Amino acid sequence: DGGITQSPKYLFRKEGQNVTLSCEQNLNHDAMYWYRQDPGQGLRLIYYSQIVNDFQKGDIAEGYSVSREKKESFPLTVTSAQKNPTAFYLCATSPRRFGGNEQFFGPGTRLTVL
Amino acid sequence: KQEVTQIPAALSVPEGENLVLNCSFTDSAIYNLQWFRQDPGKGLTSLLLIQSSQREQTSGRLNASLDKSSGRSTLYIAASQPGDSATYLCAPDNAGNMLTFGGGTRLMVKP
Repeated sequence: DGGITQSPKYLFRKEGQNVTLSCEQNLNHDAMYWYRQDPGQGLRLIYYSQIVNDFQKGDIAEGYSVSREKKESFPLTVTSAQKNPTAFYLCATSPRRFGGNEQFFGPGTRLTVL
Repeated sequence: KQEVTQIPAALSVPEGENLVLNCSFTDSAIYNLQWFRQDPGKGLTSLLLIQSSQREQTSGRLNASLDKSSGRSTLYIAASQPGDSATYLCAPDNAGNMLTFGGGTRLMVKP
């Protein structure tokens, strides 16, 4: 079964805790992305990675961290420094590093801070 | 910095109507533009990708047009159905694989 998987579907965090959201793909895509979506708003880019062992900050990277140790995996850690982390988080992939390719999205993780 | 506006923000129509969703963007130097559909609580589904050299792209009842010089794209949905109810998002790509999203149009098609 091919595609992009995100886990967990729902995540609850206490204030002061770090949590890690998983994103895995078996599409053999080079590029991976993390977006945040708040109610009634468009998506905003957190981090992206065009190749293994390299990643770049997006528009709203503060309070987040990522790693890209394997082509298939791009986990996102929401740290205690992120002041308003409650949101819907979406992972996306794209086939190649450059050239304006189509992006494909996972099912998302909804994070709620208690 | 690219800014994307989608009008209307919400739309309610009876089943069977043809409808047009609008997307405008401020920076016309784009690689391509994607249209997505999002159902409540779900991820995004890619509907159409228009390359910067194309004027339009069609998939079934959907037709997307692109006027790069004026910074506009439209998504035309023919013979709307209740199953088309969702939020539709447009996203131009300015830097090769870097999308900027509009706020979306929330569509409700009533039986």
